[in-house]
Amino acid sequence: KAGVTQTPRYLIKTRGQQVTLSCSPISGHRSVSWYQQTPGQGLQFLFEYFSETQRNKGNFPGRFSGRQFSNSRSEMNVSTLELGDSALYLCASSLGLDTQYFGPGTRLTVL
Amino acid sequence: GDSVTQMEGPVTLSEEAFLTINCTYTATGYPSLFWYVQYPGEGLQLLLKATKADDKGSNKGFEATYRKETTSFHLEKGSVQVSDSAVYFCARSSYNTDKLIFGTGTRLQVFP
Repeated sequence: KAGVTQTPRYLIKTRGQQVTLSCSPISGHRSVSWYQQTPGQGLQFLFEYFSETQRNKGNFPGRFSGRQFSNSRSEMNVSTLELGDSALYLCASSLGLDTQYFGPGTRLTVL
Repeated sequence: GDSVTQMEGPVTLSEEAFLTINCTYTATGYPSLFWYVQYPGEGLQLLLKATKADDKGSNKGFEATYRKETTSFHLEKGSVQVSDSAVYFCARSSYNTDKLIFGTGTRLQVFP
């Protein structure tokens, strides 16, 4: 069974731009969660989707948003990028209230 | 609030040495506990998990026991290899959500 896939793997943007990251969960998984990983803050929870509904949200500004489609694929969007948004963005999927499996991440660099 | 505390790294060991990485968690509810490993340039891989008190998770020679009385989930391996060099994250689940709460990670460096 294929694992969690994330696209793109690497992204370079400039301040003020917006970006969309994509995540395809393991087949059959209906829950997708997003995390931001930085050297200073570690792994921080962004949001969680289950069956197209946002079930939980972390403490991030409104510039960070996400959605989930009927096929369980998810996207997250960051608008008006800031230098501090440079991070590894990790997506994880699960059957729902179950063990989470992570993708390889998208490395975002904001210049 | 809920939290996970891990020992600071880096942990530096010679090949075949014994490894312990300490992890403690806040005892709110009855969380599941996890160890994830991250190799350079990669995402997180599930190493092992335990879902209730006294459970022992094990995988690839690594073990951790869910200790409710000490709210701990320490990671151990009897004989580390150079290929075990990575960052190890302890995590706990949250109530009624898939949100994981992670420790800060512990970097392990194994030298031949």
